[in-house]
This record gives sequence, C-alpha cells and structure tokens, in this order.
Amino acid sequence: AQSVTQPDIHITVSEGASLELRCNYSYGATPYLFWYVQSPGQGLQLLLKYFSGDTLVQGIKGFEAEFKRSQSSFNLRKPSVHWSDAAEYFCAVGTANYQLIWGAGTKLIIKP
Amino acid sequence: GAGVSQSPRYKVAKRGQDVALRCDPISGHVSLFWYQQALGQGPEFLTYFQNEAQLDKSGLPSDRFFAERPEGSVSTLKIQRTQQEDSAVYLCATSEVSGANVLTFGAGSRLTVL
Repeated sequence: AQSVTQPDIHITVSEGASLELRCNYSYGATPYLFWYVQSPGQGLQLLLKYFSGDTLVQGIKGFEAEFKRSQSSFNLRKPSVHWSDAAEYFCAVGTANYQLIWGAGTKLIIKP
Repeated sequence: GAGVSQSPRYKVAKRGQDVALRCDPISGHVSLFWYQQALGQGPEFLTYFQNEAQLDKSGLPSDRFFAERPEGSVSTLKIQRTQQEDSAVYLCATSEVSGANVLTFGAGSRLTVL
C-alpha cells in the first residue's frame, strides 16, 4: 500500500541549530516527492519538490531535501533554523494518477 | 486573485445542518482539489476537478458530501446533515496544470459541528 511516514510528531531545536525532518515513503514506482509547510492560520506552502534528476533539491527559505531511493527517504534539512521556521511540516508523495499521499506532519518548535 | 480564497474561514454548525464551503481559485487554474484535514493529521483527498469536470470523487466520505465546479472556476463543497465527525479543516488547492504536481492552497475553512 502507498504510504508516507513522518516518524517524529514533534521536534524541538534551538534557534541557529541545524534541522533534519525525516520522511519515508512506500510507493511502487518512482515517486514525485514534496515538502509543504503549514503555519497557524495559513495555507500549506510548497517548500520544494523532487520529480527527477539531481537527488539533492533546493527549496525556499533555505531548505533542502535529499531523495535516497535505497532508503525510500526524502529528508528535509536546514543548516540553521530561525524562530520564524516554527510551523508544521508535511511530506507528500505524488502518484501517477495525480493524487497526493500525505504524512501526518512534524511540528517544529524553536527554542530561543 | 493573487491566491486561493476560501470562505467562510470558520463555520460552526449544529448537527444535522447543511453547510456550503466556497473556494475561489487562482484565475486560469485548471486543477482544483478538496482535502479534509483532521486535527493532528495530514490532508486527506476528497475530490478533484479538471476545469468543470469532476474526475475523481473517490475520497468523499459519504453521500452527504457533494462538490461542484459548474463553470470551471469557483467550487463549492456541500455537506448535508452534518455530523460531529465532519469537524475538520477543509482545504482547497489549485494548480495551473492538470494534476497535483504544484499546488497552491487556500487557508482552509474550519468546520466545527456541535
């Protein structure tokens, strides 16, 4: 069955520290992969996407993600977080028939 | 408009009432999706329109849920005889191309059924 797992419900990091949010997927074919961010009262915003090619993709706000086929993972990273990065982050897999399968999200908390 | 606009932002309904949620997409966007997001969960697919055609409604949880997009622009999600389990945020997302490759989301309509 197709699924997306975000193992961490909450992650707390200090401002200025590095960040890695984990995402594992189960999908039979080559997936389209996405990371979205949702701030309170805001719509989901696309951070970055992977369709093909270079497995390290750059996104907005200084985020990057690496597709590792052997590990079925697409982890999101940022070298130095800012307080404004506090939000909920969702990983999603795009299937051949246009649907998105979403993870349950990881809530990022920033310590001052 | 510049973004996807959803209204109302908040709706409180008594159990058994009918509700209608509106989505104004970005002008010219072909694809329109409705998702349901329960508290603490990721979005769950409800239905997909390509222009005015509803290509997939497999995610609608029951026949109390109905969606339309008659002119290929504004879409309405209607829930009849609301139940407490319908309480969620309903998200509309659109794309300028077919499919869900790059979606722009509205801020959502939060429905609370008492």
